[in-house]
Amino acid sequence: AQTVTQSQPEMSVQEAETVTLSCTYDTSESDYYLFWYKQPPSRQMILVIRQEAYKQQNATENRFSVNFQKAAKSFSLKISDSQLGDAAMYFCAYRNSGGSNYKLTFGKGTLLTVNP
Amino acid sequence: GAVVSQHPSRVICKSGTSVKIECRSLDFQATTMFWYRQFPKQSLMLMATSNEGSKATYEQGVEKDKFLINHASLTLSTLTVTSAHPEDSSFYICSARRLYNEQFFGPGTRLTVL
Repeated sequence: AQTVTQSQPEMSVQEAETVTLSCTYDTSESDYYLFWYKQPPSRQMILVIRQEAYKQQNATENRFSVNFQKAAKSFSLKISDSQLGDAAMYFCAYRNSGGSNYKLTFGKGTLLTVNP
Repeated sequence: GAVVSQHPSRVICKSGTSVKIECRSLDFQATTMFWYRQFPKQSLMLMATSNEGSKATYEQGVEKDKFLINHASLTLSTLTVTSAHPEDSSFYICSARRLYNEQFFGPGTRLTVL
């Protein structure tokens, strides 16, 4: 079974600074997808960024980028120019590329605090 | 596009009663819907996966008779917590996906059982 590990229960960053959230995963599959989801205090899950394992290029979405190291099974999220609205719980998630149901496996999450 | 709603957003019920939570995909047809449970400051735990017109597939350890899931149409799935007890109090989140797309999450339902 696949597992996702987020080793940082909490992180903090100063507004406008950069922060990196860590995620490692374990799988025997060669093709899969990785995600970062944001859950603000409203508790609405929001997809931040998605990475296909077969793509070597790291995904980016505006201020959010990932460092995907397939051999090391590492998938970190970098948030640049942090804003107060970035404060949230961040979950790393994994999905196999095969199968018909698109089930996600989540890490335990990292609570990000942004200090003004 | 890709909006998922849940109703109710909050519900309080007495121990022993049943509670139904609805999950709707508002602007797309969902081939699959998922139900999660989330305890405070914890991650999402997948409870079951349901496909329209089929029986739900429950994750190991989830009581099928306690958590009844019905996926009657391509836009509606319901979770019924039967004979609820205080330990069933939690935050329940649904998600829906359309063909070849990822999951879109609903806003969640907070259940409190007194």
